[in-house]
Amino acid sequence: DTGVSQDPRHKITKRGQNVTFRCDPISEHNRLYWYRQTLGQGPEFLTYFQNEAQLEKSRLLSDRFSAERPKGSFSTLEIQRTEQGDSAMYLCASSSGYGYTFGSGTRLTVV
Amino acid sequence: AQSVAQPEDQVNVAEGNPLTVKCTYSVSGNPYLFWYVQYPNRGLQFLLKYITGDNLVKGSYGFEAEFNKSQTSFHLKKPSALVSDSALYFCAVRDIHDNDMRFGAGTRLTVKP
Repeated sequence: DTGVSQDPRHKITKRGQNVTFRCDPISEHNRLYWYRQTLGQGPEFLTYFQNEAQLEKSRLLSDRFSAERPKGSFSTLEIQRTEQGDSAMYLCASSSGYGYTFGSGTRLTVV
Repeated sequence: AQSVAQPEDQVNVAEGNPLTVKCTYSVSGNPYLFWYVQYPNRGLQFLLKYITGDNLVKGSYGFEAEFNKSQTSFHLKKPSALVSDSALYFCAVRDIHDNDMRFGAGTRLTVKP
């Protein structure tokens, strides 16, 4: 296992289109997190899964955003009807203890 | 809710000099504290954490941090900076009763030769 993998690394989409990102966590980690990072800012918490259950969602996660972790392994984050303000780096992290291991992120650019 | 403040947007030091990157936190209970480093277009890499025990924690690449409960601080330090330490550094906190980690806005460290 080589760590947390995210796909794609980069995504350019037109405003109004839907996009989906994938995260493959470290296999033995039962907790998975999604964060969003905009330029010059620290990562902001979006949502958290323990196994397949989505236990917490931030107010930042509008109804255009949905995340799933169907079998408690990989997770997907979908953004519907993208807006320019959605342009950011989307980071996934997994954990089985105190700290998190982050993936390299998916950079989304909405044009 | 927990929060983190990194009061300096930018820290500049000369290679070979000691460096300090400041962090203060706020939690309702006991904190778990972390430092991460980010290189351009990359995810965050773990440097060190404080969970319990000795207030001085040692981490990767020669970095260390001191937990100060009375000052609610967790400053990152290194005795002798390298040019390759230049990056964006994030302090983060979790309340032991909470599940999400909150990050500071980051401090850009530049080490000049």
